[in-house]
Amino acid sequence: AQSVTQLDSQVPVFEEAPVELRCNYSSSVSVYLFWYVQYPNQGLQLLLKYLSGSTLVKGINGFEAEFNKSQTSFHLRKPSVHISDTAEYFCAVRGDYGQNFVFGPGTRLSVLP
Amino acid sequence: NAGVTQTPKFRILKIGQSMTLQCTQDMNHNYMYWYRQDPGMGLKLIYYSVGAGITDKGEVPNGYNVSRSTTEDFPLRLELAAPSQTSVYFCASSSGLAHEKLFFGSGTQLSVL
Repeated sequence: AQSVTQLDSQVPVFEEAPVELRCNYSSSVSVYLFWYVQYPNQGLQLLLKYLSGSTLVKGINGFEAEFNKSQTSFHLRKPSVHISDTAEYFCAVRGDYGQNFVFGPGTRLSVLP
Repeated sequence: NAGVTQTPKFRILKIGQSMTLQCTQDMNHNYMYWYRQDPGMGLKLIYYSVGAGITDKGEVPNGYNVSRSTTEDFPLRLELAAPSQTSVYFCASSSGLAHEKLFFGSGTQLSVL
């Protein structure tokens, strides 16, 4: 079975500052890793995913994430945030045999002017 | 491109009433899912389906039922609504390949009073 931890439930940050949203997972099998974003009153959209290969993954809207197998982490980063990045961010894992997705509890990013 | 369509967007139910949340997708995806989202809890899987005629329970199936008579449609039924079912419900679909993302509907906000 897999599980996902997002230690920060809320992250306030000023506009143009860098941000890191943390994600740790546990799994007994190899996994694929995903970050989804949910803007207010909308469904979730994929930001980026890690399947294999380079541990640094680039996604949409300037976000990137780094997979660290030894620390079982997949932290999301952006060097300079915008007001429009205000949203809830979910880390998710899925076993490589196609098991169901497991989502973390989410991190609410608030970008302040 | 309609993607995943959910109806209704909002609904208020009285305790004990029943209703069906509709979900349809036009991407010919075999896999479909129903999640509920509660504050600080992330997304919890209610039921899923790997193809027409095949459904299975997820993490929190009690109080819900599903059917999958066609590839396109995956309705979620609440038989006797309870306040604990107040939540935001999301339908999602995917091709089923382990590395492929989920496509989400825009959600249904349900209140049971």
